[in-house]
Amino acid sequence: KNEVEQSPQNLTAQEGEFITINCSYSVGISALHWLQQHPGGGIVSLFMLSSGKKKHGRLIATINIQEKHSSLHITASHPRDSAVYICAVRSRGASNFGNEKLTFGTGTRL
Amino acid sequence: ETGVTQSPTHLIKTRGQQVTLRCSSQSGHNTVSWYQQALGQGPQFIFQYYREEENGRGNFPPRFSGLQFPNYSSELNVNALELDDSALYLCASSFHNYGYTFGSGTRLTVV
Repeated sequence: KNEVEQSPQNLTAQEGEFITINCSYSVGISALHWLQQHPGGGIVSLFMLSSGKKKHGRLIATINIQEKHSSLHITASHPRDSAVYICAVRSRGASNFGNEKLTFGTGTRL
Repeated sequence: ETGVTQSPTHLIKTRGQQVTLRCSSQSGHNTVSWYQQALGQGPQFIFQYYREEENGRGNFPPRFSGLQFPNYSSELNVNALELDDSALYLCASSFHNYGYTFGSGTRLTVV
């Protein structure tokens, strides 16, 4: 079982739809990232969360640390939102920050 | 200078050859990490460098090695290339693992 699971794997939405992408993880984390990857491969960081909720424009990200679950919402989706959305968790391997690493989900293609 | 730059953007190599990929860090960032992304998969952590030393490594063999330079730029070296090494290689810089900035990646094809 992957340490980070995303659903759905693929998503088709009509313009203007409210959409939700879910991420569940099984390890202890220090933060969770939502990333956007366009067909060329470049990755843009959308949010970094360690608790609660963040909003930027039409994007909203929430995290529930107790349930080890996060959601990314896009309100009023638009064709330019088409991309792969990736959830990544930052986990601490040892006591010092230097051993932290990102573990990625397989992404949701919107 | 802002942003992370990776070079080259595309590369074709023959099985058994060696390859060096390069990554510049965003200004103010002191940590660089490398990831391998196979087609249709999420990125996999290769290793991370801080203060010119490797301080974290994923499940990759020793033929994957790296360097970080005093200006925090970095190289990923892969020896004895195998067909399965064909992937997008991503580099990300950060300040103490906070606020990652990713490059656009190098697409490596091994034939």
